[in-house]
Amino acid sequence: AQSVTQLDSQVPVFEEAPVELRCNYSSSVSVYLFWYVQYPNQGLQLLLKYLSGSTLVKGINGFEAEFNKSQTSFHLRKPSVHISDTAEYFCAVSAGRGSTLGRLYFGRGTQLTVWP
Amino acid sequence: GAVVSQHPSRVICKSGTSVKIECRSLDFQATTMFWYRQFPKQSLMLMATSNEGSKATYEQGVEKDKFLINHASLTLSTLTVTSAHPEDSSFYICRAPVRTEAFFGQGTRLTVV
Repeated sequence: AQSVTQLDSQVPVFEEAPVELRCNYSSSVSVYLFWYVQYPNQGLQLLLKYLSGSTLVKGINGFEAEFNKSQTSFHLRKPSVHISDTAEYFCAVSAGRGSTLGRLYFGRGTQLTVWP
Repeated sequence: GAVVSQHPSRVICKSGTSVKIECRSLDFQATTMFWYRQFPKQSLMLMATSNEGSKATYEQGVEKDKFLINHASLTLSTLTVTSAHPEDSSFYICRAPVRTEAFFGQGTRLTVV
């Protein structure tokens, strides 16, 4: 089975500062990795995903993440945040088998708060 | 991209009544639908997996008789919270997998008073 650990429950940061949201996973098989963003009372929106290939993945809204197999990590980064990036961020993992995405295991989430 | 439409977005009901939440795949066929529950400031907890034309698979600890899931067609899956109580108040979200993507509904905020 897979599991996901998001080490930081809350990350406060000032506008235009860089940010890193940490995610570590455990799995005995190859995995697919995802980052989602959730605004209050809304569903989840995909930021980016790693399926295979290049370990540096670029997503929407200027976010990127790097898959590090040896450290079993998939940290999310943005060089300069905006107030509008304030939201809850979830890291998720799925067993990387087959052509259809199956069960997703979610981390507990990281609340990113951007201050002016 | 694919869209999963979830309704209602918010519902308030009296204790003891039942509430039905619908998730429709608008431009694709969803043979599988995952249903999640999310408590405030917490992660998504998988409740059950529904497959079109067959019985849903429930996660351990989820009451099958309380959370009725129906997946009668390739475009509609429903979750009915029966005899709702205040402790059932939560945010419910559906998800449909499409190849290596995961499309979420907008979520339903259920408040039982």
